[in-house]
Parts: sequence; C-alpha cells; structure tokens
Amino acid sequence: GAVVSQHPSRVICKSGTSVKIECRSLDFQATTMFWYRQFPKQSLMLMATSNEGSKATYEQGVEKDKFLINHASLTLSTLTVTSAHPEDSSFYICSASGGHTYNEQFFGPGTRLTVL
Amino acid sequence: DAKTTQPPSMDCAEGRAANLPCNHSTISGNEYVYWYRQIHSQGPQYIIHGLKNNETNEMASLIITEDRKSSTLILPHATLRDTAVYYCIVRPIQGAQKLVFGQGTRLTINP
Repeated sequence: GAVVSQHPSRVICKSGTSVKIECRSLDFQATTMFWYRQFPKQSLMLMATSNEGSKATYEQGVEKDKFLINHASLTLSTLTVTSAHPEDSSFYICSASGGHTYNEQFFGPGTRLTVL
Repeated sequence: DAKTTQPPSMDCAEGRAANLPCNHSTISGNEYVYWYRQIHSQGPQYIIHGLKNNETNEMASLIITEDRKSSTLILPHATLRDTAVYYCIVRPIQGAQKLVFGQGTRLTINP
C-alpha cells in the first residue's frame, strides 16, 4: 500500500527558533501534498495544499510567511514553522495524493511540536 | 465547514458490530463518501469509501441510503483496537481535493 512518513515524530524547541518537518511518500509519486494541524481534542484543520513545483495554496487565516511549505520533488514536502511560539505547539500531519485510482489521500503519522 | 453530521460519541461492546451513522444530506452527485479513523496521536487511516453502492472490504462495510443523504459504517466484530475517532467525509470524485474533517465520532469499544 501507499506509505507516507514524517520526520521528526516529535520535536521540542525554544520560542523564536524555526523547525522543519519533512513529509515523504515512500512508494508513490505525490503530485499533491496537504498539511494539517490538530490541536488537543480538536479535529484536523487543513493549513495548505501544495503541488509539486508550485507555490502552496494556504487556507484562510494561515500565515504563509510563518508556515513555509516547499514541495520541490514528487516524494518530499517540507513545512517550516518560522519563529515558533508556544501557541504553535500542535500535532502537524501531512497527507499525499498522486496516481491512485480515486486520488486517495494517504496520511503520515504526524509530528508533535512543542514550543517552550 | 464539514458537510457531514455525526454523533460525537458512541460505545460498543467488544465482539459486537459497531454501526456508525453519518448524515450528508447536501451531498452532490459527483461526491464520494469517505471514512477515515484516527487512533490517538496517530495520522488518520483510510477505511472505506463509496459513491452509491454498498461497499465492503477487510476492515468494514459501508451502507449508503438510496437517496445518498446518509450512510452507516459497520465494523462487524469490533475489537479494543477499533477504539478511535471516526470521520465521515464527502469529497469530489475528480482531482486531488482537500478533505474537510468534521468533529467525527469517538467510538469506544468496551471489554
């Protein structure tokens, strides 16, 4: 089946630093990748959609200069949280889609970010 | 906003069938019904999807009403590992469209 990995699985950083999260499709080419954020006891909220080689499309209310998304290859997308603050602490989840019959999305295991 | 309505929580005894309802009264003809589940602190896992016919796979069955305004996900023999939040989502047939997650149903399987 289609496998999506994320790295790191959890990260703790100091306020003001930047953190990069990687999302990889391991056995298929992901033409589209999605980034979601999930706060405790809440549902997943889509942050942005990225197509390989194009600029990401951000959802309303998501700061594109704070959450930098790069989708430079068909198997890798990165999310960089710049100048992280405690309110950015959350569970970040990516999904990837590409080449499958129903354009299914396959989700990564998530990255737990804690900003001190 | 999510286009589906689900009960916030349900309980089911281990070994019994778990039936999770979903209302999607505004679904259009070019939209699928998808079900995902999320076990605590993990990414969502695909379960099943359908258009208008009932579907079955190794994980579950999906029953869609004739008017397509509601559906039921059936886990035939629930185990403790099926405890999770279950999301019912409608999405267009064409293209890699984003998924809009509602609050889902928190299913607890009791021993």
